[in-house]
Amino acid sequence: EVQLLESGGGLVQPGGSLRLSCAGSGFTFGNHAMTWVRQAPGKGLEWVSTIASDASATFYADSVRGRFTVSRDNSGKTLYLQLNSLRAEDTAVYYCARSFVVDDRGYFDFWGQGALVTVST
Amino acid sequence: DIQMTQSPSSLSAAVGDRVIITCRASQGIGNYLAWFQQRPGKAPKTLIYAASSLQSGVPSKFSGSGSGTDFTLTISSLQPEDFATYYCQQYVTYPLTFGGGTRVQVK
Repeated sequence: EVQLLESGGGLVQPGGSLRLSCAGSGFTFGNHAMTWVRQAPGKGLEWVSTIASDASATFYADSVRGRFTVSRDNSGKTLYLQLNSLRAEDTAVYYCARSFVVDDRGYFDFWGQGALVTVST
Repeated sequence: DIQMTQSPSSLSAAVGDRVIITCRASQGIGNYLAWFQQRPGKAPKTLIYAASSLQSGVPSKFSGSGSGTDFTLTISSLQPEDFATYYCQQYVTYPLTFGGGTRVQVK
């Protein structure tokens, strides 16, 4: 059974840092691109970042580029998101999602349960 | 960036109703479109990929259609567990973008 389990969320002050983790199990982690998607309270879904299966490529939303860094450890089956220079508008539930490639493009087939990040004084 | 526009933003329906949600892309995306269901306080769940392919384990009351810029999600007979928010998303190019969501409420 495919499982994705996020951890590392919490309360942080503006300007602070946090690292989220997403542990994968039940599948060959290194065969899949992985993505972070966030959802601010009461709002819709927002794509944040994607990393290729072998970490050879990374992609970021303009809203986080230069502040967030995505990485992965395929031997440890874990995806990471380093969040720096946090702002109040980064407050959200952060989900990790697995990509499955069909016709040369990956769609999100499995999602984690989410980790809440709150940026506040 | 490709903008995804869903309509309506919310709707009221009764158990047994047929519900149709539309999603329009600001430019052609082929069939690289997915639909997700999100119940309150829960993670999104994938329903449809490639515009019309049913994700494994998803009941056949859900169906998707369309290509290019115009897409639809149909729920053939609404059940209590289907009252949720639905999102479309294009995955043809970065930045990946979602529609604003359609909240399906009890009439």
